[in-house]
Formats: sequence, structure tokens, C-alpha cells
Amino acid sequence: GNSVTQMEGPVTLSEEAFLTINCTYTATGYPSLFWYVQYPGEGLQLLLKATKADDKGSNKGFEATYRKETTSFHLEKGSVQVSDSAVYFCALSEAYNFNKFYFGSGTKLNVKP
Amino acid sequence: GAVVSQHPSWVICKSGTSVKIECRSLDFQATTMFWYRQFPKQSLMLMATSNEGSKATYEQGVEKDKFLINHASLTLSTLTVTSAHPEDSSFYICSARGPTGSYEQYFGPGTRLTVT
Repeated sequence: GNSVTQMEGPVTLSEEAFLTINCTYTATGYPSLFWYVQYPGEGLQLLLKATKADDKGSNKGFEATYRKETTSFHLEKGSVQVSDSAVYFCALSEAYNFNKFYFGSGTKLNVKP
Repeated sequence: GAVVSQHPSWVICKSGTSVKIECRSLDFQATTMFWYRQFPKQSLMLMATSNEGSKATYEQGVEKDKFLINHASLTLSTLTVTSAHPEDSSFYICSARGPTGSYEQYFGPGTRLTVT
């Protein structure tokens, strides 16, 4: 079956530190992969996506590369800011079925000034 | 654009009563909406998919008679938890599929239900 595993949080970093949040997946076929971010009191927002192997999704300084050989989609940012403090969710959708999403458990990121 | 709202943001009800949660797409028409449930420190679990004007499709293990979903218009879907019990306490999140041709889902901020 399909599933997503991401590192447990919370992750606490100082401003300008390097961020990595690990995400691995199990899926049949060729899923699409996503990172969503949830700021306090708000709904999940799409941060970036990748739809095929070796694609790199990027947005707001965040990047993640679709690695089929390691079934991973790790989220990275070179220099985090306090405003990046949020909960990050890794997710996949089945190939050609964007109705069904499978989410990881979320990783809370706290960035200190 | 593409804002989804939920009401209420939190609700407390007594065991045995029913509670309705609304999900609205504010600036777009959503032919498909989704309802998720999230337990503390766990991932979002899809409960059901609703299409405007037709019956909802429930995921395996979700009681359709307990979690009534109505998608009567292109901007509103409701989830009614009937005869609520403490084990129904959870965080319920809805999302709406974007405009035609878009795969992206836009999420509401969630509703926290506590059943006493």
C-alpha cells in the first residue's frame, strides 16, 4: 500500500541554520510527491511538488528532489527564518489519481531568533 | 485566492448529540471536496470524498451513517457527526479541489471537536 514516513519533531533551529526534514515513501507505480506547510491557525498550503523521478520542487527557498532509488523526498532550506516556523507535511498522491493523498505525520519546526 | 474556510473552528458537544461542521470555498467553485481526520501527532486520514450533487465516497472503515456528508452546492460541504461519542473527538479538516484541471487541494484551517 501507499504510505509516507517523515521524521518526528519538533525540530528546533537557530535563524540562518540549514534545514533538512526527511521524508520517505512507499507506493505502487509512480506517485506525485508534495510538501505542505501549516502555519499556526491556518490550513495546509502547498509548498512544493514533484511529479516524476529526479524532479526538483522549489519554492520560497525550500527544495526537495524526488529520489526514486531511495524512495525519498527530503525537504531542505539553506537558511531558515523565524517566519518558517510551522508544521511541515510530506504527502503523496497516486499516479493519475490526485483525489487521494497520503500524508506523513507532520514535523513541527521552531526557528529561534 | 483559493481560500477554504471551516466553521466552527472548535466545538464541544455532549455524548449522544450531533454536530455539523461546514466547509466553504470562498472564491472558487469546488466540484470535489474532501474530509480528513487528524489525531494528535498523526497524519491526516482521508475519510471521504464528496462531489457536488452526488453521494459521498467513504474510505474503508469510515461509518457513513455516523459521518454524514452533504455537498449541496459548489461552495459548501457539510460533515455531520451523529450521536457523537468521546472517541469521535478529533481534528477534522476539509479540503477542496481547485478549478477544473487543477490537481491541487486547498485546505481549511480545521475544526477541533471535543465530545464530553
